[in-house]
Amino acid sequence: GGIITQTPKFLIGQEGQKLTLKCQQNFNHDTMYWYRQDSGKGLRLIYYSITENDLQKGDLSEGYDASREKKSSFSLTVTSAQKNEMAVFLCASSIRVEQYFGPGTRLTVL
Amino acid sequence: GDSVTQTEGLVTLTKGLPVMLNCTYQTTYSPFLFWYVQHLNEAPKLLLKSSTDNKRTEHQGFYATLHKSSSSFHLQKSSVQLSDSALYFCALSLNTDKVVFGTGTRLQVSP
Repeated sequence: GGIITQTPKFLIGQEGQKLTLKCQQNFNHDTMYWYRQDSGKGLRLIYYSITENDLQKGDLSEGYDASREKKSSFSLTVTSAQKNEMAVFLCASSIRVEQYFGPGTRLTVL
Repeated sequence: GDSVTQTEGLVTLTKGLPVMLNCTYQTTYSPFLFWYVQHLNEAPKLLLKSSTDNKRTEHQGFYATLHKSSSSFHLQKSSVQLSDSALYFCALSLNTDKVVFGTGTRLQVSP
């Protein structure tokens, strides 16, 4: 088995601040994902990466940057946090289309 | 583009009753369909998956059949339990790395 860890678990930021979320997996999966989960809106894909140093934009990439420095890690940066923004950011990795999710980072912007 | 539709946002039931959560999809390709379940404050986990037309797939008492003729993959259970209360997502993959999720259906089971 394996595990996906996300840090931090909770992130509180200020409007306009640049914020970074981190994800690590030990499944040795090639593909990793970042999703945003808002209440009532399901999971929306921000970025994904099919291998180290690869980046693919999802439907919600505007306002975000991502980085896949090595196979096991995938970082997401909120380039300018929006006031009153609240969401859960989920990292996932996959093999043969089946996805495994991390526990999430809950973002609150004051 | 490819999409997944879950028509119910919230389904409330008394334990012991049957449930069906609707999922339809739109794609021009041959799809993989999934159901993921997310319990409160937990990560989503895979519940079921299928790419075979008209074949029932089962796991943990839940079952679904992919019907390509109607572009559907409804999730069913014959008798829900309190522990089934969760958020259920239907998802679509075209055997590529990208997955499209529906908006989710919250199932609330009462005693």
